[in-house]
Amino acid sequence: GENVEQHPSTLSVQEGDSAVIKCTYSDSASNYFPWYKQELGKGPQLIIDIRSNVGEKKDQRIAVTLNKTAKHFSLHITETQPEDSAVYFCAASNSNSGYALNFGKGTSLLVTP
Amino acid sequence: EAGVTQSPTHLIKTRGQQATLRCSPISGHTSVYWYQQALGLGLQFLLWYDEGEERNRGNFPPRFSGRQFPNYSSELNVNALELEDSALYLCASSFGGNGYTFGSGTRLTVV
Repeated sequence: GENVEQHPSTLSVQEGDSAVIKCTYSDSASNYFPWYKQELGKGPQLIIDIRSNVGEKKDQRIAVTLNKTAKHFSLHITETQPEDSAVYFCAASNSNSGYALNFGKGTSLLVTP
Repeated sequence: EAGVTQSPTHLIKTRGQQATLRCSPISGHTSVYWYQQALGLGLQFLLWYDEGEERNRGNFPPRFSGRQFPNYSSELNVNALELEDSALYLCASSFGGNGYTFGSGTRLTVV
């Protein structure tokens, strides 16, 4: 089955700096890669996603890059703000399994003022 | 538009009992997914229902089961509860993999 590795497990940055979280996956059939933000006591919230026919996608301060050959994808957050502090999860899935998500173990991001 | 709703928000059960968790998907979504989020184990896929049928299940024992109703809502049943079943159970819905949205979860505590 699919195995998703996520690094780092914790990340602390100063407000205004950039944050980068990296994930690798094992199943070459995976074709959908979402990123979720989870705040305390809430369910995961989709912040950005990318499909395997695209190499990069950007939405304001958030961007995701995908390298299919190396089987890794990354989340980039620029100009971080204290409200970006949360746990971030990457995931991989494919249409054959009905988009059941295989998650990384999460990155706890702390943005200090 | 209402999001994915789950009930109850908290549930306390005794070891050996059964728990039933409920999920209402976003209107128009036909797929419902269940995940377990246990401390130290991250988010793990449990079950996928689509059009009333179980389509896929994760690496969980048969005492984890569920069903999807004609209105696409779903329930998750956990039989013979064990202490390690204590976790946040999350439901998500989508339509053909699009609009994948999670609910806020049910916190199950087994004592």
